Amino acid sequence: DAMVIQNPRYQVTQFGKPVTLSCSQTLNHNVMYWYQQKSSQAPKLLFHYYDKDFNNEADTPDNFQSRRPNTSFCFLDIRSPGLGDAAMYLCATSRETGGTEAFFGQGTRLTVV
Amino acid sequence: GENVEQHPSTLSVQEGDSAVIKCTYSDSASNYFPWYKQELGKRPQLIIDIRSNVGEKKDQRIAVTLNKTAKHFSLHITETQPEDSAVYFCAAKFSGYSTLTFGKGTMLLVSP
Repeated sequence: DAMVIQNPRYQVTQFGKPVTLSCSQTLNHNVMYWYQQKSSQAPKLLFHYYDKDFNNEADTPDNFQSRRPNTSFCFLDIRSPGLGDAAMYLCATSRETGGTEAFFGQGTRLTVV
Repeated sequence: GENVEQHPSTLSVQEGDSAVIKCTYSDSASNYFPWYKQELGKRPQLIIDIRSNVGEKKDQRIAVTLNKTAKHFSLHITETQPEDSAVYFCAAKFSGYSTLTFGKGTMLLVSP
């Protein structure tokens, strides 16, 4: 009954090699988020989509891009992963922004070698 | 910028004891304060939330209190059980922002 599904659960990529993480939802929510979570830290918002409207956080590096081709799917593209990009990447959805419950996926743990 | 401070970073209690986690926020106009629980290797899940027009909210063994004047809110877990062991994140929605800002998390360990 998973509602926010992330694939893969674990991803190993080479330094500098583009990688794409995917997220899908069955909730038909308007908003989809991508968070980066490093060990023992809070999830850090990278960007979010409200429907097709893309909202980038001011401190998100240009190396991170996102696509939302339809309501159900959202992708995180890391153009040239560095060692510092190794982290858990969490996708989340919510019906509206801010004041409604966010539903998280299981996350993709990215390792950069 | 706006931020959320969360304390303590780790908390160890004996089964049956109460646990309290506190968060302070910087924007007095913040209006939504959720708490998320993240078990090891699992996704964060909402456990309780409170809005700025309410001072306290309770759901079985968990409760959240909000002090708008002091700009802090707390999670209270009574009669803790080993399955309460997890990382707990507080968050706040600041005015002028459409998304949540999370605290750094508290690792709660409940020993049998």
